[in-house]
Amino acid sequence: EVRLVGSGGGLAQPGGSLRLSCAASGFAFSSFAMAWVRQAPGKGLEWVSSTSGSGSSTSYADSVEGRFIISRDNSKNALYLQMSNLRPEDTAIYYCAKVSSVLPTESYFDNWGQGTLVTVSS
Amino acid sequence: DIQMTQSPSTLSASVGDRVTITCRASQRISSWLAWFQQKPGKAPKLLLYKASNLQSGIPSRFSGSGSETEFTLTISSLQPDDFATYYCQQYNSDPWTFGQGTKVEIK
Repeated sequence: EVRLVGSGGGLAQPGGSLRLSCAASGFAFSSFAMAWVRQAPGKGLEWVSSTSGSGSSTSYADSVEGRFIISRDNSKNALYLQMSNLRPEDTAIYYCAKVSSVLPTESYFDNWGQGTLVTVSS
Repeated sequence: DIQMTQSPSTLSASVGDRVTITCRASQRISSWLAWFQQKPGKAPKLLLYKASNLQSGIPSRFSGSGSETEFTLTISSLQPDDFATYYCQQYNSDPWTFGQGTKVEIK
């Protein structure tokens, strides 16, 4: 059974940083791309970032480009999102998601973690 | 970026009703479309991929159709467990984008 457990959320000040983690189990982690998707309170879903199975290829939404970095440690079956220069509009639940193939292109999000809440406020 | 527009935004229906949700893409996306169900306080769950392929474990009352720019999600006979918000999402090209959601409410 695929299991994705997110952690690392919390309260951060504008301009601050947070690092989210996602522990994966139940599948061959390095064989699948992974992604982060967020949902602001009461709003819809927004893709944030994706990485290939090896971690060598990454992509970002314009809204986070240059501030967030996605990475993975395939030896630990772990996905990360380093968030810097946080803004109030980054307040959201952040979901890690497994992608259906080793590359994000033409692949869908087939399993989701439970989400971790990030609040950016002074 | 490809814009995804769902209609309606809210839908009131009764148990046993046939329900259809429409999703339109601003550009042609072939069949690279997924549908998700989300209940309050829970993560989204994949229902269908590649427009019409049912994800494992999803009841057969859910079906999808369409290609290029117009897609539909149909629930053939609405069950109590189906009251939720539904999202379409294109994965034809980066950035991956979602529709704004359709909330299915009890009539």
